[in-house]
Amino acid sequence: AQSVTQLDSQVPVFEEAPVELRCNYSSSVSVYLFWYVQYPNQGLQLLLKYLSGSTLVKSINGFEAEFNKSQTSFHLRKPSVHISDTAEYFCAVTHWRGEGYSTLTFGKGTMLLVSP
Amino acid sequence: GAGVSQSPSNKVTEKGKDVELRCDPISGHTALYWYRQRLGQGLEFLIYFQGNSAPDKSGLPSDRFSAERTGESVSTLTIQRTQQEDSAVYLCASSLVPTGTFSGELFFGEGSRLTVL
Repeated sequence: AQSVTQLDSQVPVFEEAPVELRCNYSSSVSVYLFWYVQYPNQGLQLLLKYLSGSTLVKSINGFEAEFNKSQTSFHLRKPSVHISDTAEYFCAVTHWRGEGYSTLTFGKGTMLLVSP
Repeated sequence: GAGVSQSPSNKVTEKGKDVELRCDPISGHTALYWYRQRLGQGLEFLIYFQGNSAPDKSGLPSDRFSAERTGESVSTLTIQRTQQEDSAVYLCASSLVPTGTFSGELFFGEGSRLTVL
């Protein structure tokens, strides 16, 4: 069965500092990997995804994540964070359930707290 | 509507009462998902609909939980005889996905926060 581990429940960081949010997954089959973000008082929204091809994927707001198959990781990074990046970040992996459909299995989330 | 809409946004109920949570997916989205998020936990998959059928009910935690979808649109999640451990945020998501493929982009509503006293 697929599972996702986000070891850090909270990551405090100062504005303009770099940040890495860690994600490790467990799966016996090929995976698609995702990061979702939940800003305060909003629903979850897709930040970026890895389906195939280049292992480095990027979002429009400066985040990037690298799929590392040997380490079963999909860590999220940003070289310089803004106050507006304060949010909860969820890593997710495809859970193939048979009969041609799948759902997502999510980690517990990491709260990124950016302060001035 | 433009996004996934859920109601009520907040619901406080007494132990033993039944509750109904509603989800309006994005128009045209054939796939609909219910997740539950308890305090300090990740998102827990409950049930998936493809059209009006639910091929996967494996995540429903007990027979007190049921869900239906009509007209390939609105879905309701019903919890009977609520217990305190049912307190959580219930999230609905939809996606435009043909059977057999999945790009992974789920569109989530803001959730229904259920508190069972």
